[in-house]
Amino acid sequence: DTGVSQDPRHKITKRGQNVTFRCDPISEHNRLYWYRQTLGQGPEFLTYFQNEAQLEKSRLLSDRFSAERPKGSFSTLEIQRTEQGDSAMYLCASSPQTPIGNTIYFGEGSWLTVV
Amino acid sequence: DAKTTQPPSMDCAEGRAANLPCNHSTISGNEYVYWYRQIHSQGPQYIIHGLKNNETNEMASLIITEDRKSSTLILPHATLRDTAVYYCIVRDSNSGYALNFGKGTSLLVTP
Repeated sequence: DTGVSQDPRHKITKRGQNVTFRCDPISEHNRLYWYRQTLGQGPEFLTYFQNEAQLEKSRLLSDRFSAERPKGSFSTLEIQRTEQGDSAMYLCASSPQTPIGNTIYFGEGSWLTVV
Repeated sequence: DAKTTQPPSMDCAEGRAANLPCNHSTISGNEYVYWYRQIHSQGPQYIIHGLKNNETNEMASLIITEDRKSSTLILPHATLRDTAVYYCIVRDSNSGYALNFGKGTSLLVTP
């Protein structure tokens, strides 16, 4: 399967713990996006990378959220000191470098439940 | 905020065409219209996109009005597996062309 891969698919954690999600984009896709989706809502954009550079992070929900893409390939999204309100599906997506007219492909998401 | 407006829900009988409308009256000249769908608990799935001309692929057809202020996604022969939330999106040039999702249209295909 050469699609966007996310791991883990499901995570249950206790409030206050840190969690990390990994995303492997489609090979040779330079752009990588993170989204969050809560029940009944459409996906909400969080941040994106162009290769290893994080070009937009003002939409991250708080300073507890951080993302990296150290070698321009896979990416991680970390949530520190989780809260119950962080329970959601976290989606990763990737696209070729030139965004205009190109398609963004999504992974199947990582479900987070904070108890 | 999303730049598009869609009805919150629609029904369609199996085997009939499903026509999903979308208004994007503030669209700019070089902005594409994208359609995605999301089946419960899965990631969004790309359907089709277009700029000015009508487009067709194996999944659907996209009809864009001449003034580009609205479009319609057509599923020619809806099946039960087409039940999903359908999102009409204009990409946000201010966020690396990230897709800016609204609430979409929840399409229910009935037997």
